[in-house]
Amino acid sequence: DTEVTQTPKHLVMGMTNKKSLKCEQHMGHRAMYWYKQKAKKPPELMFVYSYEKLSINESVPSRFSPECPNSSLLNLHLHALQPEDSALYLCASSQFASRDEETQYFGPGTRLLVL
Amino acid sequence: AQSVTQLGSHVSVSEGALVLLRCNYSSSVPPYLFWYVQYPNQGLQLLLKYTTGATLVKGINGFEAEFKKSETSFHLTKPSAHMSDAAEYFCAVSDGSQGNLIFGKGTKLSVKP
Repeated sequence: DTEVTQTPKHLVMGMTNKKSLKCEQHMGHRAMYWYKQKAKKPPELMFVYSYEKLSINESVPSRFSPECPNSSLLNLHLHALQPEDSALYLCASSQFASRDEETQYFGPGTRLLVL
Repeated sequence: AQSVTQLGSHVSVSEGALVLLRCNYSSSVPPYLFWYVQYPNQGLQLLLKYTTGATLVKGINGFEAEFKKSETSFHLTKPSAHMSDAAEYFCAVSDGSQGNLIFGKGTKLSVKP
């Protein structure tokens, strides 16, 4: 099973709301990733968790707050977002974060609209 | 630093025709290269990857790619396009340090009946 699941599929939120995105994998992977993808653009890496510890934060604004409660679950907490944050948010996982040959498996994404 | 360049943001072929999507890479270390496909409103799915060994890599859905070090290329091909191949295709290279992916800008493939 190479499935990464994400909920919700769609999310509409106001600029003062607090919401969370959820990502789950049961492949025993020890690395999990958050990407942001704007329309007609490639995914941009936001965060990397390795063994449940944040290993990479690509200078993401603090209104995005990641959390990795356990090795199977990854959350992205959203607060005070801006309309330009509207995008497809993709979660991915891989066996390890430190090996270049590792395949990243992507979830279907959460399409976020900030009004 | 690693990078990939995908030539052609949009490629259109007729059903049954050859598909050729171009990817050139720049890497200071032996590269690990990937092709992903993204169907509308979906996540990315791995088509194939090159790590070491055989330079002709076969993937899912009849796609294959050939690693050519002399040309720094990793072009994706499929002998006969199907309507269901219409999607966005991304070439990616590992960053050589922490296994992070660096994506090209993507090529949208359209298939005409």
